[in-house]
This record gives sequence, structure tokens and C-alpha cells, in this order.
Amino acid sequence: GAVVSQHPSRVICKSGTSVKIECRSLDFQATTMFWYRQFPKQSLMLMATSNEGSKATYEQGVEKDKFLINHASLTLSTLTVTSAHPEDSSFYICSARPRGTGVYSNQPQHFGDGTRLSIL
Amino acid sequence: GNSVTQMEGPVTLSEEAFLTINCTYTATGYPSLFWYVQYPGEGLQLLLKATKADDKGSNKGFEATYRKETTSFHLEKGSVQVSDSAVYFCALSDRSGGYQKVTFGIGTKLQVIP
Repeated sequence: GAVVSQHPSRVICKSGTSVKIECRSLDFQATTMFWYRQFPKQSLMLMATSNEGSKATYEQGVEKDKFLINHASLTLSTLTVTSAHPEDSSFYICSARPRGTGVYSNQPQHFGDGTRLSIL
Repeated sequence: GNSVTQMEGPVTLSEEAFLTINCTYTATGYPSLFWYVQYPGEGLQLLLKATKADDKGSNKGFEATYRKETTSFHLEKGSVQVSDSAVYFCALSDRSGGYQKVTFGIGTKLQVIP
């Protein structure tokens, strides 16, 4: 159980293109989803917390107009990288916490397999 | 703020060798501690967790003990296999900014050779 699907797994596109990444919880409802970015040989950095039906909460230094997050349903959150440039190339991973877990729960998040984004 | 420090690696071991990956943390409250594993080209999978001091998390032969006095959560396995080759992340979560946030270490790459 607790499967998170992320799509696409890999995308290569030209500079200036906007890219949408989907994160779906397949067998549970998720009121909260998280988006991370992983640079080569570095750890995961939390970009934003996505809440169903409300605006996302962005971490300091993350451009909200650059990385648009939409959490329109209890099973889907999307991250759109707008006007992507080579410096946006990275590995993006989402995670989700099951509904009813509680915002202060110690239960672990469930991660997707990630999206490798390459901007030429 | 919170932080997690772990050895950078890569760590290269022969099959059946003993594994230790050190992890220490800094947190203001009483965090939960996790080890995640990332296999090549995949996302993160929870390996084990501990939610309070002296708890021992274990899974697939791996284990780690939550040591509050030394703020450590070292990962150990008695006999590694080639299939254990992956990147291992130590992480903590606590209440921060109104939500449970996870802070990850840099990740330690483990290579097990036959």
C-alpha cells in the first residue's frame, strides 16, 4: 500500500519551455504533498508543501512564480517549472502523507520515483 | 535550525562485510529519525525509523538505534549483499513551521562488490 506515482520519469526539453510534473497517490488520499529537488551528489531540499484546496507553502529561496504548484484533488499535485532554463535541470521528487495522518504525525512520507528534468 | 550530518562516501565494501554509516543530527525538539534508501534511478524508500530515544529501528537486516545522548542514529548491517548497493539518506522530522518537515542528510553511496 501507500504507493505514490510520479510522471513523467524523465523529460528533456528546450530552454524556455514549461514542464509539468504530476504526483499521484494511487491507493490513499493525501491532503499534504511535498516537492523536493535533488542536485547531483547532494541531498534532497524541500521546495514546497502542497495542501489540497489551498495555496502551497514555499521554502525560503524558492521562487513561487517559477515553480507553480497545484493540489487540486486529494490524489494529485502538480509542479510546473515555468520557462525552464538549464539551471533548473535536476531530479524532482514528490512525497505524500495519507489523509488523516495529521500534520504533526511522525508517520513517514511516501515518495514517488522522481522526475529527471534536463533542460537543453 | 535542524540538520543531519552523515559520511559522504562512497563506501565500498566486499560482499558479507560489516556496514556502518554514521549519522548525527541537530534538532531543537524531539525528532523522529529515519533511514531512507534510493536505488539507482528510483525514488526514496523508507528503510527504517525510530520515534523516541533508545528505540531501535530494523528492516532487511539493517538496524539503527536512536541515541539521544550522542544525537546519533548510525546505520548498521552485519553482512552486506551486492543488492544493498544504493544511496542511503539519514533524515529527521519534527514540527516546524506548523507542519512535519523532513530534513535529509547528504546521502551516502554504498557500493558492494562481489
